[in-house]
Amino acid sequence: SQQGEEDPQALSIQEGENATMNCSYKTSINNLQWYRQNSGRGLVHLILIRSNEREKHSGRLRVTLDTSKKSSSLLITASRAADTASYFCATVWRGGYNKLIFGAGTRLAVHP
Amino acid sequence: DAGVTQSPTHLIKTRGQQVTLRCSPKSGHDTVSWYQQALGQGPQFIFQYYEEEERQRGNFPDRFSGHQFPNYSSELNVNALLLGDSALYLCASSFLAPSRGSHEQYFGPGTRLTVT
Repeated sequence: SQQGEEDPQALSIQEGENATMNCSYKTSINNLQWYRQNSGRGLVHLILIRSNEREKHSGRLRVTLDTSKKSSSLLITASRAADTASYFCATVWRGGYNKLIFGAGTRLAVHP
Repeated sequence: DAGVTQSPTHLIKTRGQQVTLRCSPKSGHDTVSWYQQALGQGPQFIFQYYEEEERQRGNFPDRFSGHQFPNYSSELNVNALLLGDSALYLCASSFLAPSRGSHEQYFGPGTRLTVT
């Protein structure tokens, strides 16, 4: 079964608003990664946060990691219509040799 | 610099047939992983190849097999196709550092397999 679970399953917002997606996982991890997928195509890597990091930024993206709660969040600020996509968190567990365990994803719709 | 490429883009097969999907990793990458993504689901890990050997395998039957060539490209083979094998098959490449730390994976556009 998939380890990561995203919440919410779907999110609909207006352009300019912030979008927050959450991810929970079950085992100890080496790192957690967020990916974006447009319309069932290939995944695009957004950001990687290691288990000893608590927060990371990349442009309009902010990721937090709470290893005590086994959870992470992805914040997209000032959303644009082009941000419409599915977002997945994926974990790499310790000793996992870069094997990614994905959740079911959050479908984000940003309306103009 | 070409990214990860996969072929074919789409494929339609009949139950019981066999299929081969191909992947060329990003330049400089030595590790290839394969994932299956059913409609509306997240990708599921099939297996990973490094130094021409399968180093990890997910919960997939032996009908799924693979190969990595000396140039790091890879093939995924599926025998005795079932309707449930219909999915998007994604290839991802990465560089396995000597410390075996984890790095971001670069995904190809995928091959959409439909089994009828």
